[in-house]
Amino acid sequence: EIVMTQSPLSLPVTPGEPASFSCRSGQRLVGSDGYNHLVWYLQKPGQSPQVLIYLGSTRASGVPDRFSGSGSGTDFTLKISRVEAEDVGVYYCMQALQTPITFGPGTRLDIK
Amino acid sequence: QVRLQESGPGLVKPSETLSLTCTVAGGSVNSGSFYWGWIRQPPGKGLEWIGYLYYNGNTNYYPSLKSRVTMSLDTSKNQFSLEMTSVTAADTAVYYCARGFCTGAGCQLYYFDFWGQGTLVTVSS
Repeated sequence: EIVMTQSPLSLPVTPGEPASFSCRSGQRLVGSDGYNHLVWYLQKPGQSPQVLIYLGSTRASGVPDRFSGSGSGTDFTLKISRVEAEDVGVYYCMQALQTPITFGPGTRLDIK
Repeated sequence: QVRLQESGPGLVKPSETLSLTCTVAGGSVNSGSFYWGWIRQPPGKGLEWIGYLYYNGNTNYYPSLKSRVTMSLDTSKNQFSLEMTSVTAADTAVYYCARGFCTGAGCQLYYFDFWGQGTLVTVSS
């Protein structure tokens, strides 16, 4: 099983300021296709998770361009260039390389 | 737009069987481009993948749950289902069904793109 870790666990941010989330995997997430199979989700309060980024750096349809993903191998980062109030929630990373599919513990973003 | 909706009892007694169904609208479960999965979230905690199934009936379950879990497809109703036996309080969670987009000969999962709203299942006598 690939263990996923995230830091920090909590992130208070002032609107308009940037935010950065870290995700690490217990083994490399590069598949035979050459892609990093790392996904970022945002779970807003009371809602289901929504996909933000897949393949480590590809924005999902409809996701604002203030969200960006980067990284390779075992270290990945999600960045928000300018946080907005609607970005509040828990950010999860998930590895899709192999089963069992595993999620990180999440990082909670709050507005200062 | 694809929509998924979970249904089933919200309360299950310990040692009994949890049964949930996910109804899919706006897309077919009989497609080789997707997995149909179940993910759960205990109250106040993170996400846990339970497993998924493919249109041909192939399944893949979380190892620690494998002995208690069965997933199945009903293409005539465009639904898929989860059964979990011998439940305990530790199985109390919001259960989500989700569609997993996959690609390639081996159907490599890319991501879960559409999720149901989730249904809370409480295990209690």
